[in-house]
Amino acid sequence: DAGITQSPRHKVTETGTPVTLRCHQTENHRYMYWYRQDPGHGLRLIHYSYGVKDTDKGEVSDGYSVSRSKTEDFLLTLESATSSQTSVYFCAISLAGGTGELFFGEGSRLTVL
Amino acid sequence: SQQGEEDPQALSIQEGENATMNCSYKTSINNLQWYRQNSGRGLVHLILIRSNEREKHSGRLRVTLDTSKKSSSLLITASRAADTASYFCATDSGTPLVFGKGTRLSVIA
Repeated sequence: DAGITQSPRHKVTETGTPVTLRCHQTENHRYMYWYRQDPGHGLRLIHYSYGVKDTDKGEVSDGYSVSRSKTEDFLLTLESATSSQTSVYFCAISLAGGTGELFFGEGSRLTVL
Repeated sequence: SQQGEEDPQALSIQEGENATMNCSYKTSINNLQWYRQNSGRGLVHLILIRSNEREKHSGRLRVTLDTSKKSSSLLITASRAADTASYFCATDSGTPLVFGKGTRLSVIA
């Protein structure tokens, strides 16, 4: 299994509070991604990173920010959580960018009340 | 917006039967990938087929790609109860992978 750890795995928070999800990899892969998975929508890309301090927006980036200060860590922050951000968040990594396979973490289930 | 769309949304078959899932997409691609997701787990890569390939095999999996129709199919032969999962196609068009909504496969023992 690819060395990807997501934390926390489960979180319940209240509307308006900040939330940070962490993705940690031990594979030294260049590319890291945050997706969210919702019933009826499949997986949608939030943000991705193609190197330290190099990030870009995905399809559903509004309300989210990311940071990557080290190769191994990719943080997803919800500055002020809303109920619409209740979802399962998946981190993924790849060696070859868009042309290669993705390795996924186990997911972080976030509930915003 | 979703690039790949799987069909059917859900499929229920008996153990030993074959399962076929289809994926249609809208724009030209470099490759198409299939992933599997067991309930409550992350996605796992199954197979990648490049745009210049028409068919690829991996164990009990057979993937076809028809770029003229912008469609792909995933065939799982001699299905087992352990194949019960959701299956997603994902397209590479030079940007991060875009996933479809998935097909939920139930294999009944």
